[in-house]
Amino acid sequence: DIQMTQSPSTLSASVGDRVTITCRASQSISSYLAWFRQKPGKAPELLIYKASILESGVPSRFSGSESGTEFTLTISSLQPEDFATYYCQHYDSYSKTFGQGTRVEVK
Amino acid sequence: QVQLVESGGGVVQPGRSLRLSCAASGFTFNTYGMHWVRQAPGQGLEWVALIWYDGTNKYYADSVRGRFTISRDNSKNLLYLQMNSLRAEDTALYFCAKDRAYEADDTFDVWGQGTMVTVSA
Repeated sequence: DIQMTQSPSTLSASVGDRVTITCRASQSISSYLAWFRQKPGKAPELLIYKASILESGVPSRFSGSESGTEFTLTISSLQPEDFATYYCQHYDSYSKTFGQGTRVEVK
Repeated sequence: QVQLVESGGGVVQPGRSLRLSCAASGFTFNTYGMHWVRQAPGQGLEWVALIWYDGTNKYYADSVRGRFTISRDNSKNLLYLQMNSLRAEDTALYFCAKDRAYEADDTFDVWGQGTMVTVSA
């Protein structure tokens, strides 16, 4: 089974900061990688799919990139609503595997 | 607007059964794959099961295979999760989610708000 490892598990930042979260796959996943934001007490929201495609309606401060089996979510200028937990997800025809999550907290 | 609303959660004893429902609206339900995802209290997300747009193919996480059954009624725009032989470790908030593709091989672009299942004696 493919494993998804996110880092860091917790990140402290301030409004306006540039934030980077990393997700590493245990083997090649051919860009089938999504990123979600989950605000406290809410359902997750899709931010990016196919590693770097921004979901419709998602602010342009979010971007995704990949290098081999390492994937990165970048928030260019952190906003108050971005203090939340972020999950990466590998998806294929038979299963969907989430990373363990990265909590972005107020510094 | 596109909406998913789960129901059917509650408190149940270990070994008993429960059926969750998810009512879909605002999109053509019978053309998209659907999923159940769960989140134990204070924990991360765990995918549970998927079903194709027409119900012909279903896949499950190892942790629930043989105990849970996903199904759908396209005439009523409803998704179901039949949960049997429940265990304490099944305690979680259960979300239904819409796939971006009809054969459920993509990611999730719409989520419900979840229904809580607590397995306790």
